[in-house]
Amino acid sequence: QQPVQSPQAVILREGEDAVINCSSSKALYSVHWYRQKHGEAPVFLMILLKGGEQKGHDKISASFNEKKQQSSLYLTASQLSYSGTYFCGTVHTSGNTPLVFGKGTRLSVIA
Amino acid sequence: DGGITQSPKYLFRKEGQNVTLSCEQNLNHDAMYWYRQDPGQGLRLIYYSQIVNDFQKGDIAEGYSVSREKKESFPLTVTSAQKNPTAFYLCASSHRARAGGPQETQYFGPGTRLLVL
Repeated sequence: QQPVQSPQAVILREGEDAVINCSSSKALYSVHWYRQKHGEAPVFLMILLKGGEQKGHDKISASFNEKKQQSSLYLTASQLSYSGTYFCGTVHTSGNTPLVFGKGTRLSVIA
Repeated sequence: DGGITQSPKYLFRKEGQNVTLSCEQNLNHDAMYWYRQDPGQGLRLIYYSQIVNDFQKGDIAEGYSVSREKKESFPLTVTSAQKNPTAFYLCASSHRARAGGPQETQYFGPGTRLLVL
């Protein structure tokens, strides 16, 4: 089942913050976040494996709320390089189950 | 350098023609995947393979075929049965999950853009 991402698109000025949400109608086992620049391959950002887990890399962090069956990606003090489309990929069980990706959130950071 | 390569970068298909997209990885990954990307649709799974000589259909397998004769290679054929093949095709690979463990990180190749003449 495809997770639902919101918002679909967002425009930020440099230095502003953003939150991207990824929700599922089914219990989640893990959530994977990727960023894709136009015409390029998606690049892995982070995996969240447990309910309540939070991770961060530079000024990008994420949380995983198992009860709410959702994950959120937080972009703090955005930079021009943050522009791109962000995808969450979800898995509902352990083991070798392929990711199911949301439709993506297009983030544009302007000067 | 380890990585995933896809070729060609652009591919043109004529009506009724089968075309094959190449995907090679030297990351020693067991699992490989093919995704199709259309504007506004995200990434949709076509086929995946967890081990050599075995593969499974994804959500949109109709009109596509694959083979996995070598660990490093997972070519995708777009057949004439696929009526709307214009899209960006992405190949990915990952280690297999440990027993009871989570799905491993997937790494993507640079993609092939397929256009119909």
